[in-house]
Amino acid sequence: KNEVEQSPQNLTAQEGEFITINCSYSVGISALHWLQQHPGGGIVSLFMLSSGKKKHGRLIATINIQEKHSSLHITASHPRDSAVYICAVRTTGTASKLTFGTGTRLQVTL
Amino acid sequence: DTEVTQTPKHLVMGMTNKKSLKCEQHMGHRAMYWYKQKAKKPPELMFVYSYEKLSINESVPSRFSPECPNSSLLNLHLHALQPEDSALYLCASSHNFIFPNEQFFGPGTRLTVL
Repeated sequence: KNEVEQSPQNLTAQEGEFITINCSYSVGISALHWLQQHPGGGIVSLFMLSSGKKKHGRLIATINIQEKHSSLHITASHPRDSAVYICAVRTTGTASKLTFGTGTRLQVTL
Repeated sequence: DTEVTQTPKHLVMGMTNKKSLKCEQHMGHRAMYWYKQKAKKPPELMFVYSYEKLSINESVPSRFSPECPNSSLLNLHLHALQPEDSALYLCASSHNFIFPNEQFFGPGTRLTVL
């Protein structure tokens, strides 16, 4: 079993829909990252969380440390949000080494 | 400047060639990383440099040789690669290697080994 699990693996939504991507982890962590990767490769860091909730524009990330679960929400989705969203955790006892989830492939259609 | 740059964007090489990938950042970050990413898979850590010293080598074959000549530059020297080494190679940097902090990724070099 992977230390970081994401669901769903694939997601198709219509423009304007509210989207939720989930991440569960089974190890102790010091931080959780949400990353976005567009076709073509480059990865953009969206959030780094160690507790609570963060918001940036239409993106909201939450984390529940006790339940070892995080969610990434996209409000008013747009086709430009189409990308792979990756959850990664920094496990305790290590330095900045990240353990990655397998990613959620999101496609937003008109 | 909040950018990590990588050159070249694409590289095709034969199994007997020697080539190098380059990565540069001017954010004053003291930790730099090489990742390998195969299609539809998450990135896999290869190497971590902290203050220009190699801190982590994830049992990477010796045909990959990293180098950090100064705090802004990171190279990956390639020699005698195999076709299965074809992948996207991503460089990243962060403020340091000790505390949790955001990693900034470059656009990657797409490597094809013939």
